[in-house]
Amino acid sequence: DAGVIQSPRHEVTEMGQEVTLRCKPISGHDYLFWYRQTMMRGLELLIYFNNNVPIDDSGMPEDRFSAKMPNASFSTLKIQPSEPRDSAVYFCASSLSLVAANEKLFFGSGTQLSVL
Amino acid sequence: AQKITQTQPGMFVQEKEAVTLDCTYDTSDQSYGLFWYKQPSSGEMIFLIYQGSYDEQNATEGRYSLNFQKARKSANLVISASQLGDSAMYFCAMRDRRRSNDYKLSFGAGTTVTVRA
Repeated sequence: DAGVIQSPRHEVTEMGQEVTLRCKPISGHDYLFWYRQTMMRGLELLIYFNNNVPIDDSGMPEDRFSAKMPNASFSTLKIQPSEPRDSAVYFCASSLSLVAANEKLFFGSGTQLSVL
Repeated sequence: AQKITQTQPGMFVQEKEAVTLDCTYDTSDQSYGLFWYKQPSSGEMIFLIYQGSYDEQNATEGRYSLNFQKARKSANLVISASQLGDSAMYFCAMRDRRRSNDYKLSFGAGTTVTVRA
């Protein structure tokens, strides 16, 4: 099993540029999550999908952030325009289901985003 | 309101000794799950151990054990015989159904563990 695959591992961009982060969940997992990790706020859930449909996007910080899941094997998180305060590690995670309390999340390696 | 509290921002432990990482949680659900994840300096999040709210026995996975005290809403992680490779940040997490039919995972702020030779 290849695990959750994220790309790129590192992204450095200038303020105002568009940034697209990519994620391939584990095959067969129905749920996909995007988390952001910063020193100040820890791990924050941004949005999650069930069967490619966004279920809860209440964690998305503002309209500059958008996420899509066009099919079961691919998701993107886009920031347009990017700002320095968006600098963080962005994790994608997937889960088989959320019906039971013991379903664990499998995380990707994260994307370290730096906005200059 | 904070759902997961990890009061120890950082800890030092001597190699081969045991270390306990504190975690308290808040939920009104009867059915919930508690998780611990490890994040080494390389950045990935690694699942360590799980405890269900209805589990009567404390969970164990190799050198990891979870000291579950339900009445106190506490789920402390114990790492026995610490190794240098245990140096990492450790996150406590809880899954409950507070506001929806799905069990979403909430994370604590994390505890950094440094193992000294």
